Amino acid sequence: DQQVKQNSPSLSVQEGRISILNCDYTNSMFDYFLWYKKYPAEGPTFLISISSIKDKNEDGRFTVFLNKSAKHLSLHIVPSQPGDSAVYFCAASYGGSARQLTFGSGTQLTVLP
Amino acid sequence: ETGVTQTPRHLVMGMTNKKSLKCEQHLGHNAMYWYKQSAKKPLELMFVYNFKEQTENNSVPSRFSPECPNSSHLFLHLHTLQPEDSALYLCASSQERPEAQYFGPGTRLLVL
Repeated sequence: DQQVKQNSPSLSVQEGRISILNCDYTNSMFDYFLWYKKYPAEGPTFLISISSIKDKNEDGRFTVFLNKSAKHLSLHIVPSQPGDSAVYFCAASYGGSARQLTFGSGTQLTVLP
Repeated sequence: ETGVTQTPRHLVMGMTNKKSLKCEQHLGHNAMYWYKQSAKKPLELMFVYNFKEQTENNSVPSRFSPECPNSSHLFLHLHTLQPEDSALYLCASSQERPEAQYFGPGTRLLVL
């Protein structure tokens, strides 16, 4: 049973528009959430994280929103660029530590020029 | 070299072979991890080492044997693998909590 779910395996967005990637989780013990980006033939690269004491964290074009009551988080990329095309993984952990990460299955984002 | 490196990048082995995957981190981190990523599945955590001590073994079969001689190096020894063990094996490292994990490029393993 997957505790972290990314229900959209793929997403296509026009360059310059907003990309919204979604992630749902079932374990209410999770208190730390991360997004990773993965290009082909490379390992995942850390993008942005959020603690459960916050509902929003912003870093440049990337913003992560956390809705604890809905057990849902999302990653917004504005504006989207062709170089953002990659697989995006959502991950979660508990105990305030990133040591035991549970990953979602990923969403392939394609930004069209 | 910077970041997390893994060798080899690709490996083909028979079910009776013995091989080892190597990971090295140049970030000064104190925790290292092995993950497995099978096709269309989430990354699965296999092993966690904290200050060279194994702290987690997520029900991984004994045909996978990790070794962490120091905080910078991590090995995964493979023996008598099965075709279903074919996957991408990723190494990662991190510092104190809640630090993010930093991944290597992975070893693509094919078991024939």
